[in-house]
Amino acid sequence: GQNIDQPTEMTATEGAIVQINCTYQTSGFNGLFWYQQHAGEAPTFLSYNVLDGLEEKGRFSSFLSRSKGYSYLLLKELQMKDSASYLCAVRDQVKAAGNKLTFGGGTRVLVKP
Amino acid sequence: NAGVTQTPKFQVLKTGQSMTLQCAQDMNHEYMSWYRQDPGMGLRLIHYSVGAGITDQGEVPNGYNVSRSTTEDFPLRLLSAAPSQTSVYFCASSPRTYQNTEAFFGQGTRLTVV
Repeated sequence: GQNIDQPTEMTATEGAIVQINCTYQTSGFNGLFWYQQHAGEAPTFLSYNVLDGLEEKGRFSSFLSRSKGYSYLLLKELQMKDSASYLCAVRDQVKAAGNKLTFGGGTRVLVKP
Repeated sequence: NAGVTQTPKFQVLKTGQSMTLQCAQDMNHEYMSWYRQDPGMGLRLIHYSVGAGITDQGEVPNGYNVSRSTTEDFPLRLLSAAPSQTSVYFCASSPRTYQNTEAFFGQGTRLTVV
């Protein structure tokens, strides 16, 4: 089975940095994804990690440690539009499972002026 | 480019009614999935398909049926709606690759069962 944990809610100030942690215990692993979801909208892809280390994409970075079952998403220079839920998802073995994703409960980030 | 299209966007059903949620994608993706999203529980996989004619159960399949007769379409059928099926339903598709295969989501169907 799969178990994915992330904090429920975080608050930060515009211009600051926020780090959203995600821990996972899974029977199979073939990559970890982060998605952003604004209220009432569909999730949209942010980042993907399959090897240990840091992936940087503009203001967003994502880190993975497979031995620790741990990932984080780092949001820098926060903007008001970054207020959203951030979903951590683990992919099972692709070949057998059709890109099947298991999601954590999501972390709601509120950016204040 | 439409991407993943879900219809309807909103639906109210009475307990015991049946209905079909439609999902269509125009990206020629082989993988398609249905998720439901409930407050505080993230997205949970209902059913998925790795290609036309092939479907399998996810984490929460009870009360739902799927079929995949074409690559483009993956409808989700509620057999006899129950209040516990009140949720937001998302359809997703992705190509068959073994690398960075992001899933593309439809805009969701908000279903209320009364």
